[in-house]
Amino acid sequence: DAGITQSPRHKVTETGTPVTLRCHQTENHRYMYWYRQDPGHGLRLIHYSYGVKDTDKGEVSDGYSVSRSKTEDFLLTLESATSSQTSVYFCAIRPGQGLAEVGTETQYFGPGTRLLVL
Amino acid sequence: SQKIEQNSEALNIQEGKTATLTCNYTNYSPAYLQWYRQDPGRGPVFLLLIRENEKEKRKERLKVTFDTTLKQSLFHITASQPADSATYLCALHGSSNTGKLIFGQGTTLQVKP
Repeated sequence: DAGITQSPRHKVTETGTPVTLRCHQTENHRYMYWYRQDPGHGLRLIHYSYGVKDTDKGEVSDGYSVSRSKTEDFLLTLESATSSQTSVYFCAIRPGQGLAEVGTETQYFGPGTRLLVL
Repeated sequence: SQKIEQNSEALNIQEGKTATLTCNYTNYSPAYLQWYRQDPGRGPVFLLLIRENEKEKRKERLKVTFDTTLKQSLFHITASQPADSATYLCALHGSSNTGKLIFGQGTTLQVKP
């Protein structure tokens, strides 16, 4: 998994509670991504980061926030979890420390976090 | 809007045959396309990348074609094995310089011995 860990790996929570998922990488990669994967929808980008404190929204960012205070950690927070946020969440990195160049968008994924919101 | 379509129905083939998976896209002109493999309970794993000026790319038993006129990529696995059973995702790059990818929903391949 390219040195990417995610925690927790499984979580059950109740509607309305805040939830934070953590993605940790050990190789100082500049770009990190959070996706959710649902049946019939495939992988959809939630947020991504292109450096410490530099983040931007993806396709399905509503209800989610992210933070990146240091290179190795990218946190995804569900401010107030809803049942529609039940999903499998994947973190990914794009290898390298420099700015992305077209043609280098290969991504490496973590093992995923399975989240159930009751 | 940009759309990527992969055959949502599972593909079942016999061991030793060639599996062919399709990725179609609309409202999009990607510079390149990627294929990933995903096993149950795990994250996707990168397999191959093909650029718009490359018609075909091979890696061992894998072959990818990219037809920018048809807006289609075909992914072939020759001499398929039960271990090739997995879900295969195609992905197109989004905006340049962000590293963002847009993924299809994947096609599940089942290779029977």
